[in-house]
Formats: sequence, structure tokens, C-alpha cells
Amino acid sequence: GESVGLHLPTLSVQEGDNSIINCAYSNSASDYFIWYKQESGKGPQFIIDIRSNMDKRQGQRVTVLLNKTVKHLSLQIAATQPGDSAVYFCAENSGGSNYKLTFGKGTLLTVNP
Amino acid sequence: GAVVSQHPSWVICKSGTSVKIECRSLDFQATTMFWYRQFPKQSLMLMATSNEGSKATYEQGVEKDKFLINHASLTLSTLTVTSAHPEDSSFYICSARDLTSGRKQYFGPGTRLTVT
Repeated sequence: GESVGLHLPTLSVQEGDNSIINCAYSNSASDYFIWYKQESGKGPQFIIDIRSNMDKRQGQRVTVLLNKTVKHLSLQIAATQPGDSAVYFCAENSGGSNYKLTFGKGTLLTVNP
Repeated sequence: GAVVSQHPSWVICKSGTSVKIECRSLDFQATTMFWYRQFPKQSLMLMATSNEGSKATYEQGVEKDKFLINHASLTLSTLTVTSAHPEDSSFYICSARDLTSGRKQYFGPGTRLTVT
């Protein structure tokens, strides 16, 4: 079936480094993608989203890149801080009247001080 | 803005009893609410989608008679786990969207259910 997956289940970085979290999707009809951050015991928190008519979108310290040719999505976090430690999920939606999000498996990001 | 709350944040119940979880949108009108469950170290699994005033649409494999969802107003949806069993122990999370948020969903803080 269609799924959204991640290449790396865990990522450990040093404080101040840049982090890159990757996500592969298989549903070619997906045209909207979103990244969420989930801290332990909490609900997901919106980070950034991107539509398929864009290749790149930037936020505060975060950038999302979309490569539709290879169905790949990435989240870049600049100057990673200990507070960035969490699980990061990508999610996708195929539009129309369907507002459901399909979530990937998640990547655990650990930032070492 | 776009704050979603859940109550309770955690609950322990005995096997065979029912438990109700509330999801509220505090500063916007939620035209659509979603209920997810999440097991430890796993992703979110969508259980059902509910629109205000309509019956919920359940995902394949989710028992609608066991997980009762009510979306009676634009700010409140409830999930009732009926005749709970230990295997129903999980983290239940709701999310909501309104007409201005597009496809973005705002999530509640989750409810930890433990069935003994």
C-alpha cells in the first residue's frame, strides 16, 4: 500500500550542528507535506509545511526541501539546540476533500550538548 | 492561536469499563476533528475523522462500536472507549482543522490511557 517512510530512525548531532532528517513517500498523488515535532509524552507540534508546487520553503531555523522526482522530503534544522531533541514526523496528504494525513515512521533526533 | 486541548491528560481504568476523552478547540471552530492512537515508539495511526454534526468516518480495522466518537459542536469532540481492555492502553491524540487552516492539523497534547 501507499506509505510514507523515513530513511533513518535515529539521528544524533552535536549542539550547534545542522541536522537533516529525511523522508521518502510513495504516493505519487500526494501534493501537500508537513513536518511535525513530537516531544516525549506530548502531541505533535507543527513545524513547517510545503505544497508540491514548491521545491523549498524556509522557516525560522528550518528548511523543508521537496524532490518530487524521487519522492523525497527533507527537514533541515540549522544550529541545532538541545531543545530540538524530539521525534520528527513527516506527513502527506493527497488533497481533494480528503484532509487525512498519512504519517511516516518518525526519526528520533538527539542533540548532544 | 489554534490551540487544541484534551481532557484528561491521563486516565487509568479497569478492564470492562468505559472511558471518555474530550478534545476541544479553544480559539477556533474545528470543522473537522481527527482521532489518532499511538503506541510507544511508533507513529500516529488515524482512527477516525469526524465532521461537526455528522457521523464519524472510521479507518479500516477500527471498531466503531468500541470507539464511539461524537462531534456535537464546532469546538468539542469526544472519544469513548467502551468495554476497555488492556490492549486498548495507548496514547490517544486528537487534532483539528478549520476552514482557514487548509490541510494543516493542530494537535492536542494527548491522553495516556492505561487499562488494568
